[in-house]
Amino acid sequence: DAGITQSPRYKITETGRQVTLMCHQTWSHSYMFWYRQDLGHGLRLIYYSAAADITDKGEVPDGYVVSRSKTENFPLTLESATRSQTSVYFCASRRTSGSSDTGELFFGEGSRLTVL
Amino acid sequence: GQNIDQPTEMTATEGAIVQINCTYQTSGFNGLFWYQQHAGEAPTFLSYNVLDGLEEKGRFSSFLSRSKGYSYLLLKELQMKDSASYLCAVKAAPSGAGSYQLTFGKGTKLSVIP
Repeated sequence: DAGITQSPRYKITETGRQVTLMCHQTWSHSYMFWYRQDLGHGLRLIYYSAAADITDKGEVPDGYVVSRSKTENFPLTLESATRSQTSVYFCASRRTSGSSDTGELFFGEGSRLTVL
Repeated sequence: GQNIDQPTEMTATEGAIVQINCTYQTSGFNGLFWYQQHAGEAPTFLSYNVLDGLEEKGRFSSFLSRSKGYSYLLLKELQMKDSASYLCAVKAAPSGAGSYQLTFGKGTKLSVIP
């Protein structure tokens, strides 16, 4: 049971290129999230999705695009990468709201992106 | 908006006890999480508090005071493997609606020394 997986784990790209980070979960969790983590800022929410075809902006959405055509996948696209988007990106999921849902997030292993 | 504060770094000795504090200001508070994150790895769940009081889980305990906007994580019998960052995360639904979000503090880097 892989849980939640991200790919690629490491990526180096150049300014202006398009980059897509993939996230796949096997739990059928309704909610999925993308965070970026930078020194001095902690984890900041980029986008989240409550279900297939439902997405919404987080704290730092500019320069990013997401889609969710299937419950299990939640790709994050940087349409024209900038150096300020060099970061570690974490995908996370949360089970459907209910009596057993504390709101705990389950994180992928992270994707380390460097934009030159 | 939300404001979450925790110390940037702490150092403690192996075998000792350390307390990591977290203060927060938010509307629509619905609970508080502590996550552990080793360098280069993903955050992993440690504890969750929604009511005032202490939750104990082995060597780790977490305390919450909703009225004071305050939580702490207590680590006992420190081991070298406890060297990690500890993230405080507040669960809140600012709009008062059913949807809520987790907002993370910047994390406290704990170094355990021999």
